[in-house]
Amino acid sequence: GAGVSQSPSNKVTEKGKDVELRCDPISGHTALYWYRQSLGQGLEFLIYFQGNSAPDKSGLPSDRFSAERTGGSVSTLTIQRTQQEDSAVYLCASSLESGLAPETQYFGPGTRLLVL
Amino acid sequence: KQEVTQIPAALSVPEGENLVLNCSFTDSAIYNLQWFRQDPGKGLTSLLLIQSSQREQTSGRLNASLDKSSGRSTLYIAASQPGDSATYLCAVLTGANSKLTFGKGITLSVRP
Repeated sequence: GAGVSQSPSNKVTEKGKDVELRCDPISGHTALYWYRQSLGQGLEFLIYFQGNSAPDKSGLPSDRFSAERTGGSVSTLTIQRTQQEDSAVYLCASSLESGLAPETQYFGPGTRLLVL
Repeated sequence: KQEVTQIPAALSVPEGENLVLNCSFTDSAIYNLQWFRQDPGKGLTSLLLIQSSQREQTSGRLNASLDKSSGRSTLYIAASQPGDSATYLCAVLTGANSKLTFGKGITLSVRP
């Protein structure tokens, strides 16, 4: 399978716990994105990684959210001290950024997070 | 700030009908526009991507058009089928950070 994969597919946690969500992008894709899809809110951008450049964190909703991308491949999104409003589907996407024109973003199946 | 609007939020049509889904955006300085399909409980599948210099793209029964100056795009679905039932999302790419701004989607139901 050459698509974007995410794990876990579902996560139920208690308020106040930390969670880690994982994304494996398509091999060779240099750009990686995290989005959040909340009920009634649509999809919102969280963070963007491109190669070795500093990530664009402008979409992270609070300092409880952080993400890293190790070795230019796998990315982990961490939410500390989860709140009920963090419940959403977290989607990861990757693209092949050629530097000429933005490329199609390919999305993973998402992680459905429920904070009780 | 870029805003993307898709109206109506839901649409129900009989099988075989040709239909048009609309998308509008507030900032015409876009790099491209994409239409995605999302099935319940699934991720997003890219249907069509139109670069800012293009007017339309076609794939099978789907045709997407872009009028950048007026901030509008349409997705045309010919001879709709029950298998087309899904949520259709429009997204525009604005700015150097390749951030996609999404509409809230149109949930389409095609009745047999």
